[in-house]
Amino acid sequence: DIQMTQSPSTLSASVGDRVTITCRASQSISSWLAWYQQKPGKAPKLLIYKASDLETGVPSRFSGSGSGTEFTLTVSSLQPDDFATYYCQQHNSYSWTFGQGTKVEVK
Amino acid sequence: EVQLVESGGGLVQPGGSLRLSCAASGFTFSSYRMNWVRQAPGKGLEWVSCIIGSTGTIYYADSVKGRFTISRDDAKNSLYLQMNSLRAEDTAVYYCARSRDGYSVFDYWGQGTLVTVSS
Repeated sequence: DIQMTQSPSTLSASVGDRVTITCRASQSISSWLAWYQQKPGKAPKLLIYKASDLETGVPSRFSGSGSGTEFTLTVSSLQPDDFATYYCQQHNSYSWTFGQGTKVEVK
Repeated sequence: EVQLVESGGGLVQPGGSLRLSCAASGFTFSSYRMNWVRQAPGKGLEWVSCIIGSTGTIYYADSVKGRFTISRDDAKNSLYLQMNSLRAEDTAVYYCARSRDGYSVFDYWGQGTLVTVSS
């Protein structure tokens, strides 16, 4: 299975900050990477797929980049609603695997 | 509006069985791949199983292979997960999730149903 590793595990930030989360794959996954946002007690929400394609309805302050084994999720200006846990997921090959998550908390 | 509603979770003893259901509405169910994804308490997400409607192709995570069985009834717009030989490490919230058309990513999720395996 392809292993996905996110960094950092926790990120402290303030409203208005530019925030970047990194996800690394144990082998090349081309651009087959997705990002999700999850709030406590709620189901995850798809933000980005194929590394940089924004899901319908997701604010443009979210962006994704990368290919091969290294990827980033960037929030250009953090909003109060963005404090949550973020997960990456490779969708290159079965069995589809997630990163361990990055919690974005209030600084 | 796309809706996925899971049911069937609960407390079960180790070695026991449980069947989860997911009722889908708001889209052409038969046209989409459907999945189960789980999340242990306080932990991350783990994809469990996928079923492709058009081909009947099924995939499982190694952690559940041979113990869990995914199925679907397109006439009833329903997805199922039969879980046998349950272990403590199967304790999790189980989500039903739809695959985005053409991609193995999950664009709609249910609210989840909690399965607790404990004596």
